[in-house]
Amino acid sequence: DAGVIQSPRHEVTEMGQEVTLRCKPISGHDYLFWYRQTMMRGLELLIYFNNNVPIDDSGMPEDRFSAKMPNASFSTLKIQPSEPRDSAVYFCASSPGTLGTEAFFGQGTRLTVV
Amino acid sequence: AQKVTQAQTEISVVEKEDVTLDCVYETRDTTYYLFWYKQPPSGELVFLIRRNSFDEQNEISGRYSWNFQKSTSSFNFTITASQVVDSAVYFCALSEARNSWGKFQFGAGTQVVVTP
Repeated sequence: DAGVIQSPRHEVTEMGQEVTLRCKPISGHDYLFWYRQTMMRGLELLIYFNNNVPIDDSGMPEDRFSAKMPNASFSTLKIQPSEPRDSAVYFCASSPGTLGTEAFFGQGTRLTVV
Repeated sequence: AQKVTQAQTEISVVEKEDVTLDCVYETRDTTYYLFWYKQPPSGELVFLIRRNSFDEQNEISGRYSWNFQKSTSSFNFTITASQVVDSAVYFCALSEARNSWGKFQFGAGTQVVVTP
């Protein structure tokens, strides 16, 4: 298996633009997570899905952020409009959700909003 | 409320010294798992070890060992005879049965710097 695949790896955008981050989880994994990592706040869980259904989005910072999982093999995290404070590394992870199994992380997307 | 606390922000050691990373967790579940992840400078998050709440036996795997103590809610991780390649940020994480094992909660991470 290729692991969790995220695209793009790097994204530079201007403030106010829409940004879409993409994730392909490991096949057969029922859980998908979006995390954000910054120096100030560390690794924050933004939202997670179980069988394509959002379970907990309490970590989504504000309405500018939205996430979807239209099918078991694809998820997006969208920021509209983007702001400089959204600059961070965004990780997608997946897990089978079985007893004690770890989460498998993608390589991350480094987002810079200028 | 912070469920996983890593009080050490950064630890600097000289190569071949041992490094112990502290992790304190909080949960009301009786069934849970604890994990350690490593994030090298390249940025990816790499799973290292896991331990379930019913097994307090400490283990050693190569240069890694861990000390799990339910009485103090601690899950400490030790790197023996550190090497420069061990330089990374190390994260402790908790997965609880109440979240159907789906939700992983991470600590703030500890930066380990190993100098030659």
